[in-house]
Amino acid sequence: DTEVTQTPKHLVMGMTNKKSLKCEQHMGHRAMYWYKQKAKKPPELMFVYSYEKLSINESVPSRFSPECPNSSLLNLHLHALQPEDSALYLCASSQVPRQDYNSPLHFGNGTRLTVT
Amino acid sequence: AQSVTQLDSQVPVFEEAPVELRCNYSSSVSVYLFWYVQYPNQGLQLLLKYLSGSTLVKGINGFEAEFNKSQTSFHLRKPSVHISDTAEYFCAVSARLLADRGSTLGRLYFGRGTQLTVWP
Repeated sequence: DTEVTQTPKHLVMGMTNKKSLKCEQHMGHRAMYWYKQKAKKPPELMFVYSYEKLSINESVPSRFSPECPNSSLLNLHLHALQPEDSALYLCASSQVPRQDYNSPLHFGNGTRLTVT
Repeated sequence: AQSVTQLDSQVPVFEEAPVELRCNYSSSVSVYLFWYVQYPNQGLQLLLKYLSGSTLVKGINGFEAEFNKSQTSFHLRKPSVHISDTAEYFCAVSARLLADRGSTLGRLYFGRGTQLTVWP
């Protein structure tokens, strides 16, 4: 069982739809991440939230809109996606250590997104 | 700059045989190294990590890895594999992403992954 919960597990949406992906963790982590993973590829970083504020946006198109309502929740709002956006979307969380960047990430099981 | 090279994209092996998955890294600063495993239709699970101290690191499911600074390697090993070990394995190095509120976050640079397939 993973301590990071993502819903839904699968999502099929058309190019004109609006949908949201949800992520929840109760480990007290203050950093949360969105990754995109295409088949047979490593995960690619999209967004990082630190203390509920957006810290990093890896030049992600505006059709992806992240939101962090509180320290336990992370959403990814989707609008006007393209078929090439079909992928596994992974949420992760980590502690925010004072001294060093060595805190491992805890991943959810992901949402398998298909854009038709 | 940080980067990770996983030399083998696929490693087939028979059950109960030993296995080594190779990982080399490049980093100009302090190194923190990780191995993650991804089973089909799941997210990534931390296998083990090297932060400092002993160069031989033991992880879950009987895996271990050895940090070799002179060869810039962090190879993953298991003396006897099971069919249930069939999965994708990712090596990763952490680099400073940002410093905020007196703390730091790391960014993971992943290798391309190695598919381990264990045959009966």
